Amino acid sequence: DQQVKQNSPSLSVQEGRISILNCDYTNSMFDYFLWYKKYPAEGPTFLISISSIKDKNEDGRFTVFLNKSAKHLSLHIVPSQPGDSAVYFCAASDSNEKLTFGTGTRLTIIP
Amino acid sequence: DAGITQSPRHKVTETGTPVTLRCHQTENHRYMYWYRQDPGHGLRLIHYSYGVKDTDKGEVSDGYSVSRSKTEDFLLTLESATSSQTSVYFCAISESRQETQYFGPGTRLLVL
Repeated sequence: DQQVKQNSPSLSVQEGRISILNCDYTNSMFDYFLWYKKYPAEGPTFLISISSIKDKNEDGRFTVFLNKSAKHLSLHIVPSQPGDSAVYFCAASDSNEKLTFGTGTRLTIIP
Repeated sequence: DAGITQSPRHKVTETGTPVTLRCHQTENHRYMYWYRQDPGHGLRLIHYSYGVKDTDKGEVSDGYSVSRSKTEDFLLTLESATSSQTSVYFCAISESRQETQYFGPGTRLLVL
């Protein structure tokens, strides 16, 4: 039972345009959400997070939006740069504070 | 970057042999975690530790054991490796359960 779903295994975006990565969840008890970025042969690195009391969090080129009623969050990257090419994982936690990860989306930025 | 190292980085072993993976941190963080990453599954929690000698099971703990005798080291043991344990294993650390987890570089394990 996949509680955190990333339905797009891959996404290609032109350099300079906006990248939108999506994540859906089923567990209404999740109250904290994170995005991690992963390059090949490296561990995931923390990118940005959002608490369920907010609907938006912004950090430079990265913005995460949370729609609790739809159980949906998205990561916007604008403008997209070649160094953004990586696999992006969405993760969620509840009161047990264990992280549940999605399956990842491979983002490719086309120069 | 958080000071987390994993050893070995790559290992090939045979079915039925014991394997131990090591995670070492220099951040003095209380919490340490072991995950495995497989295609189609993302990262799944195997075991975690909330202090020296304090450990608990995660989502996919069968076939794995852990030990933490020092704050800085968290060992993952496959008592008798199986082909289904071929995976990439990541260690992570955090100051508390509420804090962001930081990941090590990973260990790629192949069980033949």
